[in-house]
Amino acid sequence: EDQVTQSPEALRLQEGESSSLNCSYTVSGLRGLFWYRQDPGKGPEFLFTLYSAGEEKEKERLKATLTKKESFLHITAPKPEDSATYLCAVQASYNQGGKLIFGQGTELSVKP
Amino acid sequence: NAGVTQTPKFRVLKTGQSMTLLCAQDMNHEYMYWYRQDPGMGLRLIHYSVGEGTTAKGEVPDGYNVSRLKKQNFLLGLESAAPSQTSVYFCASSYSASRPDTQYFGPGTRLTVL
Repeated sequence: EDQVTQSPEALRLQEGESSSLNCSYTVSGLRGLFWYRQDPGKGPEFLFTLYSAGEEKEKERLKATLTKKESFLHITAPKPEDSATYLCAVQASYNQGGKLIFGQGTELSVKP
Repeated sequence: NAGVTQTPKFRVLKTGQSMTLLCAQDMNHEYMYWYRQDPGMGLRLIHYSVGEGTTAKGEVPDGYNVSRLKKQNFLLGLESAAPSQTSVYFCASSYSASRPDTQYFGPGTRLTVL
């Protein structure tokens, strides 16, 4: 069964304290792995797509990496405005219709 | 360019009532999706559409119906609402699914069924 597990469920950081969020996945053929950011009361906002093991993508203080079993979202010197829930999702290669399988998310809080 | 929009933003229903949620996108996307988000459950796919006039079941389709009469619109219907359908509903769209393609989400509809 295809599955996505994110850890930790919640993470509290001080401003400037770098850390990483984990997304472990089990899927029969990975077509793509997606990272989204979700602010309270809003819809998920796209951050990154990773396609193959070894790939890395960066955006401001965020860097996403991918291996054959997991992805990491590294946050360097976070600011309070980085506080949000970060969602990971995978798309399987056999999947007709582009269905995404989501993890439960990591709620990040950055205190000044 | 508004992206993906959803109406209404909030709704309260009584058990047994019906309603329709509307999703509209102005990006000329072929694929559209309806998800629900519940605490501790993550986002789960209800139904999806790969083009105008087509629909298919997702992971949790029971109790919902959908229609895609126009390419830009995707409607989600609840014929007889139940308390278990209390949730936040998100619509998403993507250009296609023939390659890993980004799904863009709307702002959500918060539905409470009493």
